Amino acid sequence: DIVMTQSPVSLPVTPGEPASISCRSSQSLLHSDGNKYLQWYLQKPGQSPRLLIYLASNRASGVPDRFSGSESGTDFTLKISRVEAEDVGIYYCMQALHSPLTFGGGTRVEIK
Amino acid sequence: EVQLVESGGGLVLPGGSLRLSCSGSGFIFSSFWMSWVRQRPGKGLEWLANIKPAGIDKYYVDSAKGRFFISRDNAENSVYLQMDSLRVEDTAIYYCVRDLGNSQAFWGQGTLVTVSS
Repeated sequence: DIVMTQSPVSLPVTPGEPASISCRSSQSLLHSDGNKYLQWYLQKPGQSPRLLIYLASNRASGVPDRFSGSESGTDFTLKISRVEAEDVGIYYCMQALHSPLTFGGGTRVEIK
Repeated sequence: EVQLVESGGGLVLPGGSLRLSCSGSGFIFSSFWMSWVRQRPGKGLEWLANIKPAGIDKYYVDSAKGRFFISRDNAENSVYLQMDSLRVEDTAIYYCVRDLGNSQAFWGQGTLVTVSS
């Protein structure tokens, strides 16, 4: 199974400041179609997860442009350009290339 | 508006069975893969199973094989998870997810399953 490793586990942030979360996969997520099947989700307190980023760097519908995804090899990064109070919650990466689909352990983002 | 509504959760004795249901609306249900994902209390997300649009091809995580069974009824816009031989460690919120792994991924609100004596 592909192991997804996220860091940090907890991330205190200041509103208006940037934030970055990392995710590393134990194997390549590169599909023969040229895309990397890596997604980012945000689970706000008391809610179900919501898709933020698909194919490593594509924002899902309705996601603010302060969220961006990037990749380099098996390393993936989610960046928030300017954190807002509503961005608190747990962020998960997930690989969708190989079965079983697997998630990272999550990064809890909280306001300082 | 896209909606996924899970039902069927509740309290069950160890060794018992439950059948979860998920009803979709606001989209063409028969066009999408559907998945079940669970979240144990205070823990992360675990994919359990998914099923292709036609309902013939199904895939499971190893820990679910032989105990959990996914199915769908496109005429009813519903997907199901039959869970047998339940264990205490199966206690979790179970989410139904449309198109997990792709751009149209959408999660239901979840249904709580508690396995306890």
